[in-house]
Amino acid sequence: DIHMTQSPSTLSASVGDRVTITCRASQSISSWLAWYQQKPGKAPKLLIYKASSLEGGVPSRFSGSGSGTEFTLTIGSLQPDDFATYYCQQYNSYSGTFGQGTKVEIK
Amino acid sequence: EVQLVESGGGLVQPGRSLRLSCAASGFTFDDYAMHWVRQAPGKGLEWVSGISWNSVSLGYADSVRGRFTVSRDNAKNSLYLQMSSLRTEDTALYYCAKGGGRYLYFHMDVWGKGTTVTVSS
Repeated sequence: DIHMTQSPSTLSASVGDRVTITCRASQSISSWLAWYQQKPGKAPKLLIYKASSLEGGVPSRFSGSGSGTEFTLTIGSLQPDDFATYYCQQYNSYSGTFGQGTKVEIK
Repeated sequence: EVQLVESGGGLVQPGRSLRLSCAASGFTFDDYAMHWVRQAPGKGLEWVSGISWNSVSLGYADSVRGRFTVSRDNAKNSLYLQMSSLRTEDTALYYCAKGGGRYLYFHMDVWGKGTTVTVSS
């Protein structure tokens, strides 16, 4: 099975900061990677798919990059609504493994 | 409006069975794969199972393979998860999610609000 590792697990940042979250796959997944945002008590929301494609309606301050085994999610200028937990997910195989999550907290 | 509504959760004893349902609306259900994802209290997301548009391709997490069975009824716009031999570690909020395409190799672009399963004696 493909294992996904996110870093950091927790990130403290201020409004306006540029934030980067990394996700590593245990083997190559080409570009078959998605990023989701989850707020407490809510369902996850798709942000990015196919590593760098922005889902409709998602602000352009969110961007994704990478291929193979290393991927990043970048928030260009952190906004108050962005404090949440972020998950990467691979869908290269029949098992859609998630990373363990990165919680973005207010500094 | 695209909508997914899960039901069937509840309190069940270890070793017993439970069947979850997901009612879909607002899109052409039989054009998309569907998935179940769960989240244990205070924990991260865990993909549980997926099914292609035509039910030919099925996928399961190692943790549920052999105990859970995913199915769909395209005529009823519904997704199901039959859970048997339930364990305490299956306690979680179970989400239904729409795939981004017909097959399992797609992201999940719409999520329901979830149904809670509690396995306890």
